Amino acid sequence: DSGVTQTPKHLITATGQRVTLRCSPRSGDLSVYWYQQSLDQGLQFLIQYYNGEERAKGNILERFSAQQFPDLHSELNLSSLELGDSALYFCASSVEGSGYNEQFFGPGTRLTVL
Amino acid sequence: SQQGEEDPQALSIQEGENATMNCSYKTSINNLQWYRQNSGRGLVHLILIRSNEREKHSGRLRVTLDTSKKSSSLLITASRAADTASYFCATDSNYQLIWGAGTKLIIKP
Repeated sequence: DSGVTQTPKHLITATGQRVTLRCSPRSGDLSVYWYQQSLDQGLQFLIQYYNGEERAKGNILERFSAQQFPDLHSELNLSSLELGDSALYFCASSVEGSGYNEQFFGPGTRLTVL
Repeated sequence: SQQGEEDPQALSIQEGENATMNCSYKTSINNLQWYRQNSGRGLVHLILIRSNEREKHSGRLRVTLDTSKKSSSLLITASRAADTASYFCATDSNYQLIWGAGTKLIIKP
């Protein structure tokens, strides 16, 4: 158990819908990362937050947004969902966000868009 | 974008044999990390090697880093069925980790 929790574990929805994925980092970790993993694209970095502020942006679509709240939990919002958004979405956390430290991954949310 | 590229993409060996995976990257780094992912689950950190280190050990794992060749290798000795997983290397770049595509390792009983 990494100490990172993600909810829900599974999500099935229809195209055009909007969903929210939630992540609670390890106690004491200030940085949260979101990743998308699909069979054809591998592990793609989406976005990073550090202590409530956006720190780095990766391959995140404009239809996706995220935020980190004062209690350090984070939410990833996916809107106007398309079939291609079906993937595993991972949240990870680290003590700080420099890339010098290991990241601790949550169990993931499996999103299926029908 | 993916900076790290693992080689081979897939590896199948007998239990008890050693498994070697390689990772190449493109730009200068401060550190390189290896992670393991069991099917459909979250990644687990294995080992971090800093740019001024050449070799690091952790249990049955041995990681080497050659910054002149921009490459790293992960050796798993005396493999076990439980080592069946995908292995990813990641390099630090501008506050984030850049991930390779992974090597899928299968240990046959």
